[in-house]
Amino acid sequence: GQQVMQIPQYQHVQEGEDFTTYCNSSTTLSNIQWYKQRPGGHPVFLIQLVKSGEVKKQKRLTFQFGEAKKNSSLHITATQTTDVGTYFCAPGGSNYKLTFGKGTLLTVNP
Amino acid sequence: GAGVSQTPSNKVTEKGKYVELRCDPISGHTALYWYRQSLGQGPEFLIYFQGTGAADDSGLPNDRFFAVRPEGSVSTLKIQRTERGDSAVYLCASSLRGGTGELFFGEGSRLTVL
Repeated sequence: GQQVMQIPQYQHVQEGEDFTTYCNSSTTLSNIQWYKQRPGGHPVFLIQLVKSGEVKKQKRLTFQFGEAKKNSSLHITATQTTDVGTYFCAPGGSNYKLTFGKGTLLTVNP
Repeated sequence: GAGVSQTPSNKVTEKGKYVELRCDPISGHTALYWYRQSLGQGPEFLIYFQGTGAADDSGLPNDRFFAVRPEGSVSTLKIQRTERGDSAVYLCASSLRGGTGELFFGEGSRLTVL
């Protein structure tokens, strides 16, 4: 599987502030998925990015795939307490295997 | 049920004992995955099934770990001679066809080896 580095490892914000997590690879990725895991919960699929330079939005969440397909980011505008959790990127190779990053733990102070 | 079901949700066992963890995937999903997650870490790939066959078991840590999916639906992860280092949450996920599709995870089975 592909190896990625996610930064930051932790992020604490005040409610209403923006948040961004980055996922970086040393190799070109075929695609990348993002998952959210609430405390005590299981990972839940958010989105898949496939194309170079792709940008997708889901309400306050914006996902980007780099032009070189080596990095990706997730940006949350105006965080809410419901955004609390760990966000994982999971690069997919040319096969079926998803390898998860270590994740970014987001906490939001109300 | 509509989602991936895993049993037991919690299992406490003693070092050296044998453990079985069960996963019932979403009906019709041919691909099934087992992951292991330790505290503060991302899910670690263990094994992938496409239908009844283990297409990739490269993530199984050693020969104490084994998984089956005899009828292409329910899967069982088997751990022999458990060690304290096996303590983790074992997550099962299924997807419609495998490949690059979305994974649907179960709630996980938390294994504690004393």
